[in-house]
Amino acid sequence: DAGVIQSPRHEVTEMGQEVTLRCKPISGHNSLFWYRQTMMRGLELLIYFNNNVPIDDSGMPEDRFSAKMPNASFSTLKIQPSEPRDSAVYFCASSLGTPGFNWFFGSGTQLSVL
Amino acid sequence: AQTVTQSQPEMSVQEAETVTLSCTYDTSESDYYLFWYKQPPSRQMILVIRQEAYKQQNATENRFSVNFQKAAKSFSLKISDSQLGDAAMYFCAYSKRFNNAGNMLTFGGGTRLMVKP
Repeated sequence: DAGVIQSPRHEVTEMGQEVTLRCKPISGHNSLFWYRQTMMRGLELLIYFNNNVPIDDSGMPEDRFSAKMPNASFSTLKIQPSEPRDSAVYFCASSLGTPGFNWFFGSGTQLSVL
Repeated sequence: AQTVTQSQPEMSVQEAETVTLSCTYDTSESDYYLFWYKQPPSRQMILVIRQEAYKQQNATENRFSVNFQKAAKSFSLKISDSQLGDAAMYFCAYSKRFNNAGNMLTFGGGTRLMVKP
């Protein structure tokens, strides 16, 4: 398996623009997670899905952030409009959600909002 | 809510020596999982070791071992015979026992480990 695939790897945009981050989880995994990593706040969980249903979105900073999982093999995280304080590395992870199983992380998207 | 604390922002070790990274956590659960992840400059998150709370025996993976103290809610990582490739950010993480609704990982703030040649 190719692992968790995120795109793009780097994104540079201007304040006010819409940004869409994409994630393809490992085939067969039923849980998907979006994390944000910054120097100030470390790794924060933004939202996670189980069987394509959002379970906990309490970490989503504000209404400018939205996430979808239309099917088991694809998820998006959208920021509209983007702001400089959104600059961070955004990770997607997936898991099978059974005892003994682990989380697998994508390579992350480095977002820079100018 | 569960919290994970890593009190050492940075640590340094001489190559071939041993270093211990500290982690404490807070939970009201009796069954859970603990992890150490390594994040090198490539930013990939790599699982180093995991521990099930119901197991008394400390987990070991080659040069990496943990000291799990359930009553004290402490979970430290020991790296023996440190190598230059061990230089990275290390994150301690916690998860409740798996259930059908899925489980999230809660991370500590991280410890940056530097290895001196």
